[in-house]
Amino acid sequence: RKEVEQDPGPFNVPEGATVAFNCTYSNSASQSFFWYRQDCRKEPKLLMSVYSSGNEDGRFTAQLNRASQYISLLIRDSKLSDSATYLCVVTLGNQFYFGTGTSLTVIP
Amino acid sequence: GAVVSQHPSRVICKSGTSVKIECRSLDFQATTMFWYRQFPKQSLMLMATSNEGSKATYEQGVEKDKFLINHASLTLSTLTVTSAHPEDSSFYICSARDSSVGNIQYFGAGTRLSVL
Repeated sequence: RKEVEQDPGPFNVPEGATVAFNCTYSNSASQSFFWYRQDCRKEPKLLMSVYSSGNEDGRFTAQLNRASQYISLLIRDSKLSDSATYLCVVTLGNQFYFGTGTSLTVIP
Repeated sequence: GAVVSQHPSRVICKSGTSVKIECRSLDFQATTMFWYRQFPKQSLMLMATSNEGSKATYEQGVEKDKFLINHASLTLSTLTVTSAHPEDSSFYICSARDSSVGNIQYFGAGTRLSVL
């Protein structure tokens, strides 16, 4: 079983739509959680950390549900520039586990 | 914010040559750095974990004699692809963990290797 499972998509949504991604993790002892964004042929860049209390940064909201062992990312009012692959990352000790990424395309 | 510098960004070489890629943490000390490989339209694959002052830990299926890793200082790790072959052509990305800010991992810009 993979440490992190993520729906690869693709998600094709119209501009202005709200879209949500989920990511499940298998080890309840996992410690830190992040969402990264990766543009085509570029390196992943940190989008936001994820906390149990939830955190919001503009149009982006991240949530952690430890009981059900999943993290989520909500994007409101999608922009064309949001088109990218979104990776969830879970840490356990010194190990980082990446999801396979969810592809998002925002359509005009 | 923290910055990780990776060099070179692009390498084209002949089969059989060795290629060295450098990864530097510019704003913080990184006892642990990671090396990934990514093929087109595929997810990141961890190759090895580079530990300052000790031997790297390689993932299953990654040849340690083929991919030499050196982490001689707290700000520099290098990956050398020895005797590169066309099947080694890929996008290699390093990252460094900043343990002072909650274990966030910052990535270098990647090195695109093409072996002819």
